[in-house]
Amino acid sequence: GENVEQHPSTLSVQEGDSAVIKCTYSDSASNYFPWYKQELGKGPQLIIDIRSNVGEKKDQRIAVTLNKTAKHFSLHITETQPEDSAVYFCAASMRKAAGNKLTFGGGTRVLVKP
Amino acid sequence: GAVVSQHPSWVICKSGTSVKIECRSLDFQATTMFWYRQFPKQSLMLMATSNEGSKATYEQGVEKDKFLINHASLTLSTLTVTSAHPEDSSFYICSARRDLITDTQYFGPGTRLTVL
Repeated sequence: GENVEQHPSTLSVQEGDSAVIKCTYSDSASNYFPWYKQELGKGPQLIIDIRSNVGEKKDQRIAVTLNKTAKHFSLHITETQPEDSAVYFCAASMRKAAGNKLTFGGGTRVLVKP
Repeated sequence: GAVVSQHPSWVICKSGTSVKIECRSLDFQATTMFWYRQFPKQSLMLMATSNEGSKATYEQGVEKDKFLINHASLTLSTLTVTSAHPEDSSFYICSARRDLITDTQYFGPGTRLTVL
């Protein structure tokens, strides 16, 4: 089955700096890659996603890049703010295969210091 | 929007009792819902996939007789933890897939279960 590795496990940045989280996946058939933000005691919130026919996607301060050849994708947060502090999860799934199940990375705890 | 709710948000029960958790898609119909379990400072672990009108599909290692899943309508799935024990204490989160075309899953706020 699919395996998703996420790095780093923790990330501390100064407010205003950029944060980058990287994930690799094992199954080349995966074609959908969402990113979720989870605050303490809450459910994950979808912040951005990308499909395998696209190399990059941007939404305001958040961007995701995908390298299908290398089987890795990254989340970029620019101009970080204290409210960006949370745990971020990447995930991968195969459309219509295996029930569209998501396989999650281990998570990255991001702390933005004011 | 795509809003998913869960009820209750937290529950404390005695060992040996059963607990039911509800997951509702509030503004869309969800043919498929998923149930996850999350331990402190860990990632989400898929327990089962719930399809409306059919039996749930459980992940390897998840006891289907212990974690009963019912998806009776397009907006409601329930997870019942039967004969709960302290090791079942965890954060249970559901998600709903909006339609058959997209893969996007929207998550509920989670239910904190504590078994004494």
